[in-house]
Amino acid sequence: QVQLQESGPGLVKPSQTLSLTCTVSGGSIRSGGYYWSWIRQHPGTGLEWIGHMYYSGDTYYNPSLKSRVTISVDTSKNQVSLRLSPVTAADTAVYYCARVFLNYEVSCLDPWGQGTLVTVSS
Amino acid sequence: SSELTQDPAVSVALGQTVRITCQGDNLRSYFASWYQQKPGQAPVLVIYGENYRPSGIPDRFSGSSSGNTASLTITGAQAEDEAAYYCNSRDSTGNHLIFGGGTKLTVL
Repeated sequence: QVQLQESGPGLVKPSQTLSLTCTVSGGSIRSGGYYWSWIRQHPGTGLEWIGHMYYSGDTYYNPSLKSRVTISVDTSKNQVSLRLSPVTAADTAVYYCARVFLNYEVSCLDPWGQGTLVTVSS
Repeated sequence: SSELTQDPAVSVALGQTVRITCQGDNLRSYFASWYQQKPGQAPVLVIYGENYRPSGIPDRFSGSSSGNTASLTITGAQAEDEAAYYCNSRDSTGNHLIFGGGTKLTVL
């Protein structure tokens, strides 16, 4: 059973770079048909899709974050990474990684990691 | 429009049936998926595609779609179903994912 675990600093200073890693276990990132996604949730609010990536490089980003976001995959480590720069207090959120299934009419995220809270503060 | 609209809050009596809806123009082209999120926990997929449940999801959860509206129905709501429910689908480009604002379900 595939499991995802986010890791990274819980505190980032304004104007700096937020860097998170999602480690995938129980399956390979190279499994056909799946993208790997980052989603965030601001305190007390809903879910915001950040972007997703196929292991071969096909990548899509939320247009509102595109100028600041990079998602990458390390197949040797079975990891997906997120970089967001520069950050402001508005980027304080719980960040989740998730596996994404996409076909011509269905998109669904399953499973999800447990999430990691990142606070942007000086 | 590339938005998904959900009612902020819905309530249901224990054991009764409740329908949670998600509206968006893109739902005419793409199915919605539904997620349950309990406080302090990650979202869990409960319905995807035409009406499919991942392994381990009770059969009291079902999904349907008509026009620009997708629905999640819980038949015989249980106390443990009290949670926030989010729909997701794609935007007009088909390349980006979008989420509804979420519906907080209270089981009375």
